Amino acid sequence: DTAVSQTPKYLVTQMGNDKSIKCEQNLGHDTMYWYKQDSKKFLKIMFSYNNKELIINETVPNRFSPKSPDKAHLNLHINSLELGDSAVYFCASSQEIGVVEKLFFGSGTQLSVL
Amino acid sequence: QQQVKQSPQSLIVQKGGISIINCAYENTAFDYFPWYQQFPGKGPALLIAIRPDVSEKKEGRFTISFNKSAKQFSLHIMDSQPGDSATYFCAANFGNEKLTFGTGTRLTIIP
Repeated sequence: DTAVSQTPKYLVTQMGNDKSIKCEQNLGHDTMYWYKQDSKKFLKIMFSYNNKELIINETVPNRFSPKSPDKAHLNLHINSLELGDSAVYFCASSQEIGVVEKLFFGSGTQLSVL
Repeated sequence: QQQVKQSPQSLIVQKGGISIINCAYENTAFDYFPWYQQFPGKGPALLIAIRPDVSEKKEGRFTISFNKSAKQFSLHIMDSQPGDSATYFCAANFGNEKLTFGTGTRLTIIP
């Protein structure tokens, strides 16, 4: 029973398209995140939501828009995809804001923009 | 600027040997230092963590050594096994701040 699940696992698309990645956690956590991992494996936080409220927005282009319909879901919508958006995107969750003792990550969505 | 510098970028260790990965930080306010392990095609998973009130923490074959005065901490994997082959990330934070990750170390254990 997967704790943090995200779909799709792979996403291949053309430049200029709009795409979404979905994430769900069944841990009952209050806080969810989106991270971007580039080709060099560097992990960078993009957004953090606590109970549906945006907490962290790390100067991500406004083509990226997170949406949290409820505290168990955090989706990522990307408009006008660019080549540089190619990366692995990870959803994560933690018990509550500020308590980052344990982040639970999903398995990632590998986005390839052609 | 919050930074965590990690080395080496990649590491090859023979089975049964000791793997050592080092991290250095700049922000003296950091008070939580976790290590995450990531296998190919998977997300990172918390491996072990330490707070600066102790100089060492051991969990099985994994040990964190912490040197507060040098602002450094390291992960030691004793009796390294092929199943330990993965990418390892150190990280740090304080209070309600987000975790700052190191750049990762790709560890390969060879027979």
